[in-house]
Amino acid sequence: DQQVKQNSPSLSVQEGRISILNCDYTNSMFDYFLWYKKYPAEGPTFLISISSIKDKNEDGRFTVFLNKSAKHLSLHIVPSQPGDSAVYFCAARPANDYKLSFGAGTTVTVRA
Amino acid sequence: DAGVTQSPTHLIKTRGQQVTLRCSPKSGHDTVSWYQQALGQGPQFIFQYYEEEERQRGNFPDRFSGHQFPNYSSELNVNALLLGDSALYLCASSLLTGGLTEAFFGQGTRLTVV
Repeated sequence: DQQVKQNSPSLSVQEGRISILNCDYTNSMFDYFLWYKKYPAEGPTFLISISSIKDKNEDGRFTVFLNKSAKHLSLHIVPSQPGDSAVYFCAARPANDYKLSFGAGTTVTVRA
Repeated sequence: DAGVTQSPTHLIKTRGQQVTLRCSPKSGHDTVSWYQQALGQGPQFIFQYYEEEERQRGNFPDRFSGHQFPNYSSELNVNALLLGDSALYLCASSLLTGGLTEAFFGQGTRLTVV
């Protein structure tokens, strides 16, 4: 069963504009949420995370928002840069548990 | 810091054969997890090793087995290969002792079963 869903397989955005990636989850035991970025022929790279006790976490151009009641999180990238073109995975895990459940990924293309 | 390293990077096997994939965790990490990523999908958790024991296992058959060595490195073994085992196999390491950290991934091993 797919406990983490990324319903948009792709996103195209102009350089300098905002990229918004969405993720929904079904497991109420999930306590920690992460975003990973993946370039071709490389493994996923950790980007940003958020604990369930927060609703927002910011790191430079990247901000993650969590809405626990809606079981929804989003990643905002502002401003988008060409180097941001990659596949972005949303992942989640319960507290004190390393087993990550991943979404299918969203391919972001930043146009010059 | 070498990060997480996996070998080999690519592998072609025939149906019914057995394969062993290897992983060296990031320096200072003590936990290794293995994931299978099929084309167009997100990584799926196979199992996790800590203190040389399997701590958790995902929904994978017994054909998938593993091992962790005293130096924290790990192997993933797959027996009786099926065409459907063709995928990118990712190793991730993290530090369990003293608290959880984010998982760091290797570049993966691309396995093709023909």
